[in-house]
Amino acid sequence: AQSVTQPDIHITVSEGASLELRCNYSYGATPYLFWYVQSPGQGLQLLLKYFSGDTLVQGIKGFEAEFKRSQSSFNLRKPSVHWSDAAEYFCAVGAMDSSYKLIFGSGTRLLVRP
Amino acid sequence: GAVVSQHPSRVICKSGTSVKIECRSLDFQATTMFWYRQFPKQSLMLMATSNEGSKATYEQGVEKDKFLINHASLTLSTLTVTSAHPEDSSFYICSARVARTDTGELFFGEGSRLTVL
Repeated sequence: AQSVTQPDIHITVSEGASLELRCNYSYGATPYLFWYVQSPGQGLQLLLKYFSGDTLVQGIKGFEAEFKRSQSSFNLRKPSVHWSDAAEYFCAVGAMDSSYKLIFGSGTRLLVRP
Repeated sequence: GAVVSQHPSRVICKSGTSVKIECRSLDFQATTMFWYRQFPKQSLMLMATSNEGSKATYEQGVEKDKFLINHASLTLSTLTVTSAHPEDSSFYICSARVARTDTGELFFGEGSRLTVL
């Protein structure tokens, strides 16, 4: 069965510092992989996605993620965090069958120190 | 980008009443919509998959008689929480897949916060 693990419940970084949020998945084949961001009381915004091809994907707001098949990981990175990046981040894996279901990780809350 | 709108964004109701939440795709046709539930500080749990013109497929443990889903058109799906109770209070989020695409990308609504008194 598909599953997604985000091992860090929350992470605190200083503004301007680099960021890496971890995501590991379990799936029988190469899945579709996503990172979403959620501000309090809001819906989800897509940051980036991986379907195939280049394993380093660029997203919005300066985020990038790297798909590593050998490690079953899809970690999210940003070289310099801004205070406005404080939010909840969700990694998700999508089924490649006709269901198009997304299974979400438990989320990582990012706090940014001034 | 594709826009998904939910209404209402917040609703408060008395225990025992029913509440309907709408999910609309504003600028695209959505053959498939998904309904998620999110408890405070937790992840999104898939409740059901809604396909236009057919019955919804519910995830294990989700009461289909409690959470009625209708997907009557390519741009609208509704979730009705019947005989709501305080334990149904939650944040409900819908998402939609663009028709005739195979990318698996979903677009999410802004969410609807239900509070049952």
